[in-house]
Amino acid sequence: DAGVIQSPRHEVTEMGQEVTLRCKLISGHNSLFWYRQTMMRGLELLIYFNNNVPIDDSGMPEDRFSAKMPNASFSTLKIQPSEPRDSAVYFCASSPGTPGAFFGQGTRLTVV
Amino acid sequence: GDSVTQMEGPVTLSEEAFLTINCTYTATGYPSLFWYVQYPGEGLQLLLKATKADDKGSNKGFEATYRKETTSFHLEKGSVQVSDSAVYFCALSDSGNTPLVFGKGTRLSVIA
Repeated sequence: DAGVIQSPRHEVTEMGQEVTLRCKLISGHNSLFWYRQTMMRGLELLIYFNNNVPIDDSGMPEDRFSAKMPNASFSTLKIQPSEPRDSAVYFCASSPGTPGAFFGQGTRLTVV
Repeated sequence: GDSVTQMEGPVTLSEEAFLTINCTYTATGYPSLFWYVQYPGEGLQLLLKATKADDKGSNKGFEATYRKETTSFHLEKGSVQVSDSAVYFCALSDSGNTPLVFGKGTRLSVIA
């Protein structure tokens, strides 16, 4: 299996623009987690899904952030409009329902 | 809620030195415990895990034992290499369908 695949790996955008981050889960996994990593805050859970249903989005910082799972193998995280303080590395991770998760390589987002 | 506390870094060691990174946890149930490693510019990789008390997880010369009586899961390696330089995260999970709870991470630098 190719593992969790995130795209793009790097994104540079201007403040105010819409940004969409993408994640492909490992086949057969039914839980999906979005994390954000910064030097100041470390790893933060943004939102997670079980069987395509959002379970807890309390970590989403603002209404500018939204996440979807249109099918069992794919998810998007959208930021609209983006701001410089959104600059971070965004990770998605998937789990097959047993403890532990497998992480993607991350998307490094820079908002200028 | 559940939480993980790990020793603050950074930790700097000479090659072939003994490594210990302390990790303690607080949980209401009986979680599974994990160590993840993050190399520069990469995502988090599962290093080892233990699912019940007294279990020992091991991988690549690293090991950690699930100690229920002291609520600890300390990471050890007998002889570190320069290639072990990375950030190490201790984590716990109640199930595969709930998010991992991470410690803040410990940066390890090994010098030749």
